[in-house]
Amino acid sequence: DTEVTQTPKHLVMGMTNKKSLKCEQHMGHRAMYWYKQKAKKPPELMFVYSYEKLSINESVPSRFSPECPNSSLLNLHLHALQPEDSALYLCASSQDPASGSYEQYFGPGTRLTVT
Amino acid sequence: AQSVTQPDIHITVSEGASLELRCNYSYGATPYLFWYVQSPGQGLQLLLKYFSGDTLVQGIKGFEAEFKRSQSSFNLRKPSVHWSDAAEYFCAVVGGYQKVTFGTGTKLQVIP
Repeated sequence: DTEVTQTPKHLVMGMTNKKSLKCEQHMGHRAMYWYKQKAKKPPELMFVYSYEKLSINESVPSRFSPECPNSSLLNLHLHALQPEDSALYLCASSQDPASGSYEQYFGPGTRLTVT
Repeated sequence: AQSVTQPDIHITVSEGASLELRCNYSYGATPYLFWYVQSPGQGLQLLLKYFSGDTLVQGIKGFEAEFKRSQSSFNLRKPSVHWSDAAEYFCAVVGGYQKVTFGTGTKLQVIP
């Protein structure tokens, strides 16, 4: 099973709202990622969690707050977003980083619209 | 720093024709290379990967790619394109500590 699930599929939120995106994988992967993708652009890395610890933050604004409660689950908490944050948010996972296996498996994404 | 170049933004092929999508990379060590495909509004699906060994790698959906170190290339090929192959294709390289760098993508259009 190479499935990464993301909920919700679509999300519309106002600039004063607080919402969360959820990502789940049951492949035993120990690295998980958040990407942001604007239309007609490649995905941009936001955060990397390795063994449930934040290992990379690509200078993402603090209105995005990641959380990794366990090895299967990754959340992205959203607060006070701007309209330019509207995008497709993709979650991905990969095997044990120490194994040298780097292929990432992506979820279907959450389409976020900030009004 | 690693980088990936996909020189073709948009390619149109006829159904049944052969396909080659170009990818050039820049990375100091032996690269880990990938091709992903993305249908509109969807996530990315891994087509194939190259880590080491045989430079011609086979992937899913009838795709293959050839790693050429002398040309810093990892071009994707398919002998006969199907209408369902219409999508965006991303070449990617993994560098230090799992950081993936994607190319800008090539949009494939398939005409009947």
